[in-house]
Amino acid sequence: GAVVSQHPSWVICKSGTSVKIECRSLDFQATTMFWYRQFPKQSLMLMATSNEGSKATYEQGVEKDKFLINHASLTLSTLTVTSAHPEDSSFYICSATRRRNTEAFFGQGTRLTVV
Amino acid sequence: GQQVMQIPQYQHVQEGEDFTTYCNSSTTLSNIQWYKQRPGGHPVFLIQLVKSGEVKKQKRLTFQFGEAKKNSSLHITATQTTDVGTYFCAGRSDYKLSFGAGTTVTVRA
Repeated sequence: GAVVSQHPSWVICKSGTSVKIECRSLDFQATTMFWYRQFPKQSLMLMATSNEGSKATYEQGVEKDKFLINHASLTLSTLTVTSAHPEDSSFYICSATRRRNTEAFFGQGTRLTVV
Repeated sequence: GQQVMQIPQYQHVQEGEDFTTYCNSSTTLSNIQWYKQRPGGHPVFLIQLVKSGEVKKQKRLTFQFGEAKKNSSLHITATQTTDVGTYFCAGRSDYKLSFGAGTTVTVRA
């Protein structure tokens, strides 16, 4: 199957700093990438959908100025958590699809801890 | 907005027994996908259903897509310890892929 690499796998940062998470499709071109947040023992909450070269579409309740998404190429999308606070601590996971309406391939996820 | 509900949230199964997890969407879906997430891991794609009333099998797993394309089910027969994990359905409508809450399965030998 296709490979999606997410980096870093875990990060600890101080409150008020920004953290960038990268999501790369290694062996295919991803037309669409999704960013999710997952709380312990809960489902994946869709945060935003990004298409290469266009602005991300954010879900209701997700602050676009807080969670900056850039999809600069067909193989790379980044999520920047700006001015992080402890309540932003969570597991962030990306996924990518080759074409519309096909299966999603997930990255390994990033465990963010804000102290 | 689109909502995908999944029940039950937890399923504790005796090894060898069968169980079913159900998924319902508030909107008509273009397709539905099922994923499995092992503890500490990331979701892994299992299958996609596209057609109304579609039924697909993968060994002991049977997936169904409802006639109205708003509900789906996953039935596992003769549960094994390797079936442990959380099973998510994900409904696709337009560009979005929205996940259900997941059914976390534990197996007692």
